[in-house]
Amino acid sequence: AQTVTQSQPEMSVQEAETVTLSCTYDTSENNYYLFWYKQPPSRQMILVIRQEAYKQQNATENRFSVNFQKAAKSFSLKISDSQLGDTAMYFCAFMKRSGAGSYQLTFGKGTKLSVIP
Amino acid sequence: DTAVSQTPKYLVTQMGNDKSIKCEQNLGHDTMYWYKQDSKKFLKIMFSYNNKELIINETVPNRFSPKSPDKAHLNLHINSLELGDSAVYFCASSQAGTQYFGPGTRLLVL
Repeated sequence: AQTVTQSQPEMSVQEAETVTLSCTYDTSENNYYLFWYKQPPSRQMILVIRQEAYKQQNATENRFSVNFQKAAKSFSLKISDSQLGDTAMYFCAFMKRSGAGSYQLTFGKGTKLSVIP
Repeated sequence: DTAVSQTPKYLVTQMGNDKSIKCEQNLGHDTMYWYKQDSKKFLKIMFSYNNKELIINETVPNRFSPKSPDKAHLNLHINSLELGDSAVYFCASSQAGTQYFGPGTRLLVL
């Protein structure tokens, strides 16, 4: 079974600064995907970024980038130029194929990020 | 315009009642899911369906029964509601892996 660990229950960052959220995972799979999802107070789950395990290049989406270390099973999220709208719970998730076009997501417990004006 | 929609958004009910949550996606995806988010914000998969066929069925009480009339819809029916069923339930859909979530349904059992 896969496990995903987010060791920082809460973090805060000053507006315009950079923050890094940590995530480690445990798996015996070789082919998998990793995600970061954001859940603001509105409750909506929003995809932030996706990384395929077979790709060595770190994924980037505007101000969001990841540091994917496959051997260390680490997948951290860096948010640059933090904005007030980045205040949310951030969930790291591991995904593997479960057969017949279905994929199983395993989530970490989340990191609550507060951006301070 | 909404990609994955759920109804209702809020549901307050008494213990012992039966209730349903509906989910629809207009993304043309083949696979749909139900997740439960507990009071500590932990998200756990409950079910997944691919083309109306049940693929994943995690350890969920028999009181929970998913129903997929077609690949754009996956409804969740809950019998004999218990206090511990209070949570936020998310529907999601996927094609080629990435999952897109609905807005969630907050269920409160009194």
